[in-house]
Parts: sequence; C-alpha cells; structure tokens
Amino acid sequence: GDSVTQMEGPVTLSEEAFLTINCTYTATGYPSLFWYVQYPGEGLQLLLKATKADDKGSNKGFEATYRKETTSFHLEKGSVQVSDSAVYFCALSSGGGADGLTFGKGTHLIIQP
Amino acid sequence: GAGVSQSPSNKVTEKGKDVELRCDPISGHTALYWYRQSLGQGLEFLIYFQGNSAPDKSGLPSDRFSAERTGGSVSTLTIQRTQQEDSAVYLCASSYGGVTNQPQHFGDGTRLSIL
Repeated sequence: GDSVTQMEGPVTLSEEAFLTINCTYTATGYPSLFWYVQYPGEGLQLLLKATKADDKGSNKGFEATYRKETTSFHLEKGSVQVSDSAVYFCALSSGGGADGLTFGKGTHLIIQP
Repeated sequence: GAGVSQSPSNKVTEKGKDVELRCDPISGHTALYWYRQSLGQGLEFLIYFQGNSAPDKSGLPSDRFSAERTGGSVSTLTIQRTQQEDSAVYLCASSYGGVTNQPQHFGDGTRLSIL
C-alpha cells in the first residue's frame, strides 16, 4: 500500500537558518503530494501541493519539488522564523480521493530566536 | 468564509458509553473525510464520503465504529461501547468532488478522552 516517510524530529534550528525536512513516498501510479502544517493549538492547514512530476509547490517562503525519480517531496525554506515553529506533515493522495490522504508521522520543528 | 466545523471540540466519557461526533463541511464540498490522530498511530484515514455514499468502510478500526452522511452535508461518526484505545483526536476534512488534486480542508477536530 501507499506510505510516506519523513523525519520525526524534533528538529531545532536558530532563526534565519536554512530548513530542509525530508519526505519520501511509496505509491502506485502518479499521486498528488502535499505538505500540511499544524501550528500549536490549531488545526491542520494545507501549506503547499504538487500534482505531477517536476511541479514545485510554494507558499509562505516554503518550497517543495515533486521528484518522481527519487520519489521525494522535500520541504525547504531559506530563512526560518520563530513563527514557523509547528508540526509539518507530508501526505499523498493516489486514490482519486476515495482512499483519503496517506500521511507521514509528522516533523516537529522548533525555531529558537 | 466558514471552514469545516466539528463538534464537540472536546468529549470526555466513560468506557462502554456511545459517542457521536459531528462534522459540518465547507458549503459546496461534496467529498468528506474522517481521520483519527493519535500519538502512537499518527494520522489514520478512517472513511470517505462522496455525497451521501461511503464506497469503502474498511478503514474503520472495528465494527463499533460507524459513520453516516445525510443531505450531502453534515456527517456523524459514532463509536459504540467506547474503549480506552479510542482516545484520540478525530479530524474531519472536506474537498471538492473527491478528485486527487483537490486539497482537503480540515476542521479543528474533536478530542475524545475515554476514562
């Protein structure tokens, strides 16, 4: 079946550092890929998405590129802020919606001032 | 605009009792999803509705769990004879049409605690 693997952390960085959170996946066909974020005390929010190979999703300074050859969708940001502290979830959808999203375990990111 | 609304936000109940969780999706969203978020299991997909129909119920953890959706809108997730392992945050999401590249929008969840 489908699966998503991501580093669980916690990942602790200083403000303005470069961020990479790795995400790799296993899926049949050509899934759509997503990053969701959960800020403290809040619900899951879509951060960015990519629906086909080589697509780059971007939002709020975050980027991720759909790499079919390496089955990866790594999340990057050039300069993190304290307000980026949250749990980040990589997810995929390959069943036309009928199978729901398959999530990774989530990466807890802590940004220190 | 209004997002996905879930109620109650918190529910504490005794083992063996039945509970009913409610989800009100974004207006116009025909697809609705239930997930469970727990420390040990992460985010698990439970069930999906397209309109009022749930094509596959195999993701529900046991036969104590059931879900329905009426009028293509509100959905309820019912857990009968609750057990301590049912303690988790139950999340509902909705999207347009249930197609692959449409993002799902999540509610804030119901935190269920079984004593």
